[in-house]
Order: sequence, then structure tokens, then C-alpha cells
Amino acid sequence: DAGVTQSPTHLIKTRGQHVTLRCSPISGHKSVSWYQQVLGQGPQFIFQYYEKEERGRGNFPDRFSARQFPNYSSELNVNALLLGDSALYLCASSLADGLLYEQYFGPGTRLTVT
Amino acid sequence: AQSVTQPDIHITVSEGASLELRCNYSYGATPYLFWYVQSPGQGLQLLLKYFSGDTLVQGIKGFEAEFKRSQSSFNLRKPSVHWSDAAEYFCAVGAYNFNKFYFGSGTKLNVKP
Repeated sequence: DAGVTQSPTHLIKTRGQHVTLRCSPISGHKSVSWYQQVLGQGPQFIFQYYEKEERGRGNFPDRFSARQFPNYSSELNVNALLLGDSALYLCASSLADGLLYEQYFGPGTRLTVT
Repeated sequence: AQSVTQPDIHITVSEGASLELRCNYSYGATPYLFWYVQSPGQGLQLLLKYFSGDTLVQGIKGFEAEFKRSQSSFNLRKPSVHWSDAAEYFCAVGAYNFNKFYFGSGTKLNVKP
């Protein structure tokens, strides 16, 4: 079975632009979470979606938004990019809501903002 | 506020030596604790988790961790390190009802031949 897939792998954007990152969960998984990992730091939670509803939101500005589609794939959108948004963006999927269900992480999308 | 501290940024051990990676947490409720490993170019992989019960938990790849409530610690151990264990290790604490983790800043493990 395929694991969590993310696209694109790498991305370079200019300050002020908008970016969309995509995530396909493991087949059968209904929950998707997004994390931002700045170089040298641990991942920081951005959003969690379960059954297309937002279940949790981290401490990120409104420039960050996400959604989950009927097939459980997800998009993370970031508007008005700042240099500080440069990071590895990780997506994780799990069967259902709650920590009893193991999260499986994708390889990430490396975003560079210049 | 929830937080996780990993006091060691880098650790170098010789192959075959024992390993202990430190993790301290601050969490208002019953903590749900995890250790993940991240190898270059790969996603985070769960090594082990603690929800309740026996405070010594066994994980994959020969790792174990011990939960000590009195010290707010959840240290990761391995009796004999292999070169393939070189990676970055993250401790995390979670909120039970949500797929939301608070990660530490990580410890990079180097293994000397």
C-alpha cells in the first residue's frame, strides 16, 4: 500500500505570493493533519481535519488555511508568503480522530520563500 | 501550556554503545507521550508511545522508553546502537481527543564506527 504522499516535493516562491500544498492520505484514512517544521526545530501543529471538518488548529495566522475533500485528500494554503514561512510542511494521516490511531507522516514539501 | 524539552541538540555515541535521549514535558492533563525518528528524506516514523499502564514501553528497532511522572520525563533508551540509528529523534506529547502533537526541538544522533 502507498504511504502518505505529498506534492510538490520542493517549491520556491516569492514573498507575497500564494502557495497550495497537497496531501493524499493512506487509503482508508479519514483524518489528516498538517505540521510546519522550520529548519532545526520540531514540527509545529497547524491543522487537523477529520471527515472534512476542522478538528484542531494551531497557533498560526489566518494566512494559513486548509480543507479536506470528499476523498479525504487535503490542501494547505498559505497566502501573502513571508520569508519565515520557509519550512518543511508535513502531512500526516490516521484512520480516525484521536491519538489512539497512529499517525503516519508523509515525506513533506520543502517550501522556500525568497 | 503544553511543551516538550529535549535538552540535547546533538549526541554522538559509538556503535554498540548504549543510548539515552532525554525528554521532559509540561502538560496540564494526563500526558500521551511519543517518540518519533526522522531520517533524511523520510517522514517521521513512530518508535513508541505511552498512554497508560506499565511505565516502561517497548518500541520498534529495539528502543524502549520509561515514563516517570515525578520527573515529568519520558527518556528513550537503546542498549546497543547501530550505525543505521543515526537520525533525528523527536519526543512529543499529545492531547487525547485530537491528532495534535507538541513536538520537542529534536536530538540529532551521530553514530561513530
